[in-house]
Amino acid sequence: SYELTQPPSVSVSPGQTASIICSGEKLANIYTYWYQQKPGQSPVLVIFRSATRPSGIPERFSGSVSGNTATLTISGTQAMDEADYYCQSWDSGTAVFGGGTKLTVL
Amino acid sequence: QVQLQESGPGLVKPSQTLSLTCSVSGGSISDDDCYWSWIRQSPDKGLEWIGYIFSSGSAYYNPALKSRALISVDTSKNQFSLTLTSVTAADTAVYYCATSETPGDLFDPWGQGILVTVSS
Repeated sequence: SYELTQPPSVSVSPGQTASIICSGEKLANIYTYWYQQKPGQSPVLVIFRSATRPSGIPERFSGSVSGNTATLTISGTQAMDEADYYCQSWDSGTAVFGGGTKLTVL
Repeated sequence: QVQLQESGPGLVKPSQTLSLTCSVSGGSISDDDCYWSWIRQSPDKGLEWIGYIFSSGSAYYNPALKSRALISVDTSKNQFSLTLTSVTAADTAVYYCATSETPGDLFDPWGQGILVTVSS
């Protein structure tokens, strides 16, 4: 089955840039979606169709793709951005999620 | 903005059937532009898409769960439901409902989720 791979954890200092990657063999040709999940809350969409930010999501969140790797970038990371981040894509009509990356802001 | 709310029993015995309902407010489940999904999250498997349904009743499932999952829609109540048969401890998870305007696209918004534990 299709898999999306994310690093378990990423650490960043406040004000710095955080990059969270998602690897999958088809990501060069299909869209990637990114969700933020804070403890005890449901996931919230932060990037869709690889690079589009929904209304209400701060401009410091951006998405990009290079080859088979999608990247979620958070510029000027704030303490409130500490959360789990999940990438998601579709393969043969089935939604697939990455294992998630815990972003720590310290 | 559409809002979703899951409801159902929080405890199900092994081998029995799990039944959950998602109530939709702020929009109509009959909207042709929307489709309605179930997604679950467990520590072992992470986020797992179960399937989605259109207001017409056409449903599509994750092949890994297709033999046990059934999603249905009740337009009169503005709700859709999930039934999962022959549950085991591996089905213990937080179950979310979510929506989207296009098949094969994003999930937004999500419900708050409901924890279902499978245990005797």
